Amino acid sequence: DIVMTQTPLSSPVTLGQPASISCRSSQSLVHSDGNTYLSWLQQRPGQPPRLLIYKISNRFSGVPDRFSGSGAGTDFTLKINRVEAEDVGVYYCMQAVQFPYTFGQGTKLEIK
Amino acid sequence: QVTLRESGPALVKPTQTLTLTCTFSGFSLSLNTSGMFVTWIRQPPGKALEWLALIDWDDDKFYSTSLKNRLSISKDTSENQVVLTMTNMDPVDTATYYCARGYRYYDFWIDPWGQGTLVTVSS
Repeated sequence: DIVMTQTPLSSPVTLGQPASISCRSSQSLVHSDGNTYLSWLQQRPGQPPRLLIYKISNRFSGVPDRFSGSGAGTDFTLKINRVEAEDVGVYYCMQAVQFPYTFGQGTKLEIK
Repeated sequence: QVTLRESGPALVKPTQTLTLTCTFSGFSLSLNTSGMFVTWIRQPPGKALEWLALIDWDDDKFYSTSLKNRLSISKDTSENQVVLTMTNMDPVDTATYYCARGYRYYDFWIDPWGQGTLVTVSS
């Protein structure tokens, strides 16, 4: 199984400041079709997860443009330009290049 | 509008079999919706997400490595339902169980998710 490792596990951020979360996979997430199947999900308190970013850097429908994803191969980053109060929650990376799909441990974003 | 709703028992006893149903609307999981899938994911209280199983539009099925001997996923296209069964339940299986829709043909996205159903395993 592919292991997904996120850092940090907790990220206190000041409102209006940027935040960054890293995700590393134990093997390449490049599929034989040429795509890289790395997604980022947000889980607000008491809510189900919601897709933010798919295929490294594609923002899903309705996701604010302050969220961006980057990376390649085995190293990926989610960045939030200017953190807002509604961004509080846990962020997960997820790989879908091979079964079984796997998630990172989650990074808790909180306001200082 | 696409929606999914999980249903099943809130409490099961150790060694029992859990049966969860995901009832969805706004899309189809049939042979003419190539690429579409429904997947199950769980989350123990205060812990991370764990992927469990997936069923494709063409009835292909995939399972978690550690749980594959205990899981079974199936679909009823006419009823717009996907059923997950997990045998030999244990207290460590206490979690919120989510179903979600996705697409995985030369692309991959997973949205939306159901609200989840909390299953407690206790005698």
